[in-house]
Amino acid sequence: ETGVTQTPRHLVMGMTNKKSLKCEQHLGHNAMYWYKQSAKKPLELMFVYNFKEQTENNSVPSRFSPECPNSSHLFLHLHTLQPEDSALYLCASSKGLAGDEQFFGPGTRLTVL
Amino acid sequence: GIQVEQSPPDLILQEGANSTLRCNFSDSVNNLQWFHQNPWGQLINLFYIPSGTKQNGRLSATTVATERYSLLYISSSQTTDSGVYFCAVAGYKLSFGAGTTVTVRA
Repeated sequence: ETGVTQTPRHLVMGMTNKKSLKCEQHLGHNAMYWYKQSAKKPLELMFVYNFKEQTENNSVPSRFSPECPNSSHLFLHLHTLQPEDSALYLCASSKGLAGDEQFFGPGTRLTVL
Repeated sequence: GIQVEQSPPDLILQEGANSTLRCNFSDSVNNLQWFHQNPWGQLINLFYIPSGTKQNGRLSATTVATERYSLLYISSSQTTDSGVYFCAVAGYKLSFGAGTTVTVRA
């Protein structure tokens, strides 16, 4: 695998389900990010991790719970989601923070029924 | 946060035509990236260009940081150039514009 990978690519879940999104970067980067892209809206930054430590939570509801066990892996745990949470969730990584180039994974398209 | 405005919002081109996409931003930045989002949602890095001019094949980009804008040039457009083009800038956090949707017709 090269670059940034995400699984699953598609996910359909009910409002009472618990699921997790996984992101892995093979670039030797230290910073990882979760973004949300809803229809007709610009990409929104959700969380930032640098060397496994969370440095940014952009006022994201607690039903989204990130986890970064190491610099190569990032998870987004989902529980009790709402239909308006349906979106494309994109993971990205960069060498560091403060302006370094970011590289994105293919995304997980989430549908909440 | 930094405001990012892209224009035009939509662009329809005939194959072979040239075009210019513009990105204006509201504050000084230390990162500016152009992306192409394909129909499956993947964001493909086109340029990392906080200042200056770069070229990659039929695409080129120029950022004038002192005047807070960047331009993306597409020359001899092909149908495979269709998609949404995003500009994103960062002082610290990456902020995205709303994108320009490009449709290239054969």
